[in-house]
Amino acid sequence: SAVISQKPSRDICQRGTSLTIQCQVDSQVTMMFWYRQQPGQSLTLIATANQGSEATYESGFVIDKFPISRPNLTFSTLTVSNMSPEDSSIYLCSVGQGADYGYTFGSGTRLTVV
Amino acid sequence: GENVEQHPSTLSVQEGDSAVIKCTYSDSASNYFPWYKQELGKGPQLIIDIRSNVGEKKDQRIAVTLNKTAKHFSLHITETQPEDSAVYFCAASRGGGGNKLTFGTGTQLKVEL
Repeated sequence: SAVISQKPSRDICQRGTSLTIQCQVDSQVTMMFWYRQQPGQSLTLIATANQGSEATYESGFVIDKFPISRPNLTFSTLTVSNMSPEDSSIYLCSVGQGADYGYTFGSGTRLTVV
Repeated sequence: GENVEQHPSTLSVQEGDSAVIKCTYSDSASNYFPWYKQELGKGPQLIIDIRSNVGEKKDQRIAVTLNKTAKHFSLHITETQPEDSAVYFCAASRGGGGNKLTFGTGTQLKVEL
């Protein structure tokens, strides 16, 4: 299965600022997904990122708040913009490797907004 | 869209006992059901998965069963060990890695000595 490197692993940010999270995969993958995991909660899908097209956002998530880039088949970024304390969560990237395979997750970015 | 319910939210067992976690899903088109283990400070790790053309799958101490008619699937861990203590998530998807996963709410498993 793919190996995912996610950076930064954690950060403490001031409200009103933005943070960009990077996700690097060791092989080419078609589908990349970004999830949010609020403290003590399950994983909620933010958006699906395909290379060469606009990301598809889930209900409740908008591009202005969570812009995503997917410049190639091994890399993606998620930006959390104009942060507030409510954005404090773990953000995870995941890759899908086709219908016959499963999903692999990065180790996550633990974000605290103060 | 898909909705996945998971029970129980917390589970405490004695070392060596079995643990069972149950999930139900709503989308009859879902055909891929993975289980993830998440330890503190880490991302979810796939421990076992099952597809809708199979009723049961086993990997050493871990097994998963699927009842398509009732739309529920379960994780069974036998001979539990302290290192099994973690949060476990079930999930469902249409078509595996090409489509998004919907997660259950998670089960905090604690294995006591």
